[in-house]
Amino acid sequence: SQQGEEDPQALSIQEGENATMNCSYKTSINNLQWYRQNSGRGLVHLILIRSNEREKHSGRLRVTLDTSKKSSSLLITASRAADTASYFCATKNSGNTPLVFGKGTRLSVIA
Amino acid sequence: GAVVSQHPSWVICKSGTSVKIECRSLDFQATTMFWYRQFPKQSLMLMATSNEGSKATYEQGVEKDKFLINHASLTLSTLTVTSAHPEDSSFYICSARARGGGRGTDTQYFGPGTRLTVL
Repeated sequence: SQQGEEDPQALSIQEGENATMNCSYKTSINNLQWYRQNSGRGLVHLILIRSNEREKHSGRLRVTLDTSKKSSSLLITASRAADTASYFCATKNSGNTPLVFGKGTRLSVIA
Repeated sequence: GAVVSQHPSWVICKSGTSVKIECRSLDFQATTMFWYRQFPKQSLMLMATSNEGSKATYEQGVEKDKFLINHASLTLSTLTVTSAHPEDSSFYICSARARGGGRGTDTQYFGPGTRLTVL
């Protein structure tokens, strides 16, 4: 079953701009993770945020989590053409359950 | 560390044939492996969960007789698509969760995927 919903489904921005992607989910979670996938390739793990965390940074990435609204956002600052990819959020309910992926956002960064 | 490999990376087969995809955890023991399927421009959908030495648990709508999963060891799981048809063409991705200990049990490590094209 799929519980994450990302918006927007597609986002096109100019290089140097910031990109914000949102993810909503339905049930309580243990953690939420963001992945990147280049076209036709495997997943690259970007960042994990636990349910008791509100914000996390990693390089140009900033992730927020609002468990009361069951939502998360991924911000990529100063985007580059190489950031062009699909971005997925994935939630984990407990230690033994598999990751459930959202529908993803296709980001295009135009040079 | 924590590398998951898949073989083959891509395969083209004729309709009606069976295809086996291997998923290996290279440097850790995986008590649980997951198989996902991804259609073009869509997200990953969980197909099944397999635990070493026991039968796989399939998600609703996934035919267990069509997608045979074997998790015979702590480092290898296989997915066999039996009597493949064009609608089975997809990107299949496995994921392995490490056995308890230093690697932790929260993390799923993903393979690079196998692209199956059924003619």
